[in-house]
Amino acid sequence: QLPVQESGPRLVRPSETLSLTCTVSGDSISSSYYYWGWIRQAPGKGLEWIGNIYYSGITYYNPSLKSRVTISEDTSKTQVSLKLNSATAADTAVYYCARQFGDYTSGFDIWGQGTVVTVSS
Amino acid sequence: SYVLTQPPSVSVAPGRTARITCGGNNIGSLRVHWYHQKPGQAPVLVVFDGSDRPSGIPERFSGSNSGHTATLTISRVEAGDEADYYCQVWDSNNDHSVFGTGTKVTVL
Repeated sequence: QLPVQESGPRLVRPSETLSLTCTVSGDSISSSYYYWGWIRQAPGKGLEWIGNIYYSGITYYNPSLKSRVTISEDTSKTQVSLKLNSATAADTAVYYCARQFGDYTSGFDIWGQGTVVTVSS
Repeated sequence: SYVLTQPPSVSVAPGRTARITCGGNNIGSLRVHWYHQKPGQAPVLVVFDGSDRPSGIPERFSGSNSGHTATLTISRVEAGDEADYYCQVWDSNNDHSVFGTGTKVTVL
């Protein structure tokens, strides 16, 4: 079992909500040692940070996406969720979930394999 | 918002040294992290906090950070080092992470 794995619909209609789940193995999601982040990569483009969350519920978001993004956690299910409202074609990307060891300024040391999401009618 | 500038591409012969720069305002005062990403794969952390290596990353990968430029150095380059490389920092003025524009390393 991968330590971090993303899942969710691969096709989202424009104007609908893109919803993804990151399942974390073990109990590290409730650990004070880690932050959990979402990063995406549009086709042929670079990495774009979306946001992250701490076990206490503290969140940080990319200012360019903040009005549309919600990141939450379900410690009982060891999952971190991403919701991106009012999706457009520009949200088509590979979405990664990744762990930061330490604090929100740390590097992302463990990544999921990523999940491809296409926004199209 | 904070911008990290990388050269689009770097070419290097096998066995030689590749240097990838990451420019940002006073980046020397920030924690800089570096990733490589091969086609179809997730990024992999190769250097964190400017110059530290995660376990399993060869000593050939090293980093430095001063002033307005951070540098990732790959010594004795191998064909397997061919990948896209990204730097990343936390922009404390705006409370968000920023990735560099990315550099494609080609091994000749």
